[in-house]
Amino acid sequence: GAVVSQHPSRVICKSGTSVKIECRSLDFQATTMFWYRQFPKKSLMLMATSNEGSKATYEQGVEKDKFLINHASLTLSTLTVTSAHPEDSSFYICSARRGRSSYEQYFGPGTRLTVT
Amino acid sequence: SQKIEQNSEALNIQEGKTATLTCNYTNYSPAYLQWYRQDPGRGPVFLLLIRENEKEKRKERLKVTFDTTLKQSLFHITASQPADSATYLCALHSGNTPLVFGKGTRLSVIA
Repeated sequence: GAVVSQHPSRVICKSGTSVKIECRSLDFQATTMFWYRQFPKKSLMLMATSNEGSKATYEQGVEKDKFLINHASLTLSTLTVTSAHPEDSSFYICSARRGRSSYEQYFGPGTRLTVT
Repeated sequence: SQKIEQNSEALNIQEGKTATLTCNYTNYSPAYLQWYRQDPGRGPVFLLLIRENEKEKRKERLKVTFDTTLKQSLFHITASQPADSATYLCALHSGNTPLVFGKGTRLSVIA
């Protein structure tokens, strides 16, 4: 299979604090990982593309200093929401591709972030 | 700009019937089209990928068509079951470009 895990599944934090979300590919090496955000009844919005060992590529309108992405190894990418505000509350989902010639994406179960 | 429309936000169907979901796109010429299933509060699950030079693809009770002239994909679930109830997302891309997702169609299969 191709299993992607995310941790934590749910997190509640206070305004102004930072939250780190981990995304791991458990049984394959992911050269590319993606971070999405999803609002209720809306589609997935791509935030950034993360390649192992290089800087993430952010989509237009996504603040790279606010959403820090690190892809330190072929099986781990992290998203840190810095100085979180209530409007950052959302469902964050990561996905991974097995290799550069493989186009299917395998998604994590998502992380529900609530900022109070 | 690229636009992907999944025409029905919600679709109700009787168990045993064939569910047909539609995905239309404009201002784009994707090389690949993918369908995913998403359950509430969960990440999407990959179902099928079809290439621009493929007219149809099947996997068990699922069938996908890709018409690049009409700029449309149809997703069929035959002999639908209540367990098929979920939101189905279509997504387009060209090679290594990121997936662009539609908003999804919420399918309810009624026993």
